[in-house]
Amino acid sequence: GENVEQHPSTLSVQEGDSAVIKCTYSDSASNYFPWYKQELGKRPQLIIDIRSNVGEKKDQRIAVTLNKTAKHFSLHITETQPEDSAVYFCAARSARQLTFGSGTQLTVLP
Amino acid sequence: NAGVTQTPKFQVLKTGQSMTLQCAQDMNHNSMYWYRQDPGMGLRLIYYSASEGTTDKGEVPNGYNVSRLNKREFSLRLESAAPSQTSVYFCASTLGPQKAYEQYFGPGTRLTVT
Repeated sequence: GENVEQHPSTLSVQEGDSAVIKCTYSDSASNYFPWYKQELGKRPQLIIDIRSNVGEKKDQRIAVTLNKTAKHFSLHITETQPEDSAVYFCAARSARQLTFGSGTQLTVLP
Repeated sequence: NAGVTQTPKFQVLKTGQSMTLQCAQDMNHNSMYWYRQDPGMGLRLIYYSASEGTTDKGEVPNGYNVSRLNKREFSLRLESAAPSQTSVYFCASTLGPQKAYEQYFGPGTRLTVT
């Protein structure tokens, strides 16, 4: 089955700086790569996603890049704000299932 | 639109007891999923139902059973709870397959087995 690895597990940045979280996947048939944000005690919420036929997608301060050859994808958050502090999960879809990474705890320091 | 709802929100069981977690969605989605979330391990798929009338095992199905009662409802049953099943359980749904892949999550059920 699919295996998704996510790094780093924790990340602290100063407010206004950029944050980058990276994921690798194993199944070359994976075709959809979402990123979820989860605040403490809340449900995961989709923040951005990308399909395998696209290399980059941007939504305001958030962007995702996908390198199919290397089988890795990354989340970029620019101009970070305290409300960006949360756990972020990447995922890859293959065989009708999503496989999630283990999560990154992002802390934005004021 | 309530989206995806789950009951109960919290539950404490003794080892060996059984219970059913309920999930319902009002978005006319075809596919539904059950995940468990343990600290530091992300979300792991227990079972899923790609469409009404079908169910399939995910990554960690042992100790669980599911029922896709109708298009709206997908329940998860623990027949004989064990401490290793202490976790937060999330239900999710999506319009897909071959339509849309975005998964919408319910608020979760926090289960403790003593």
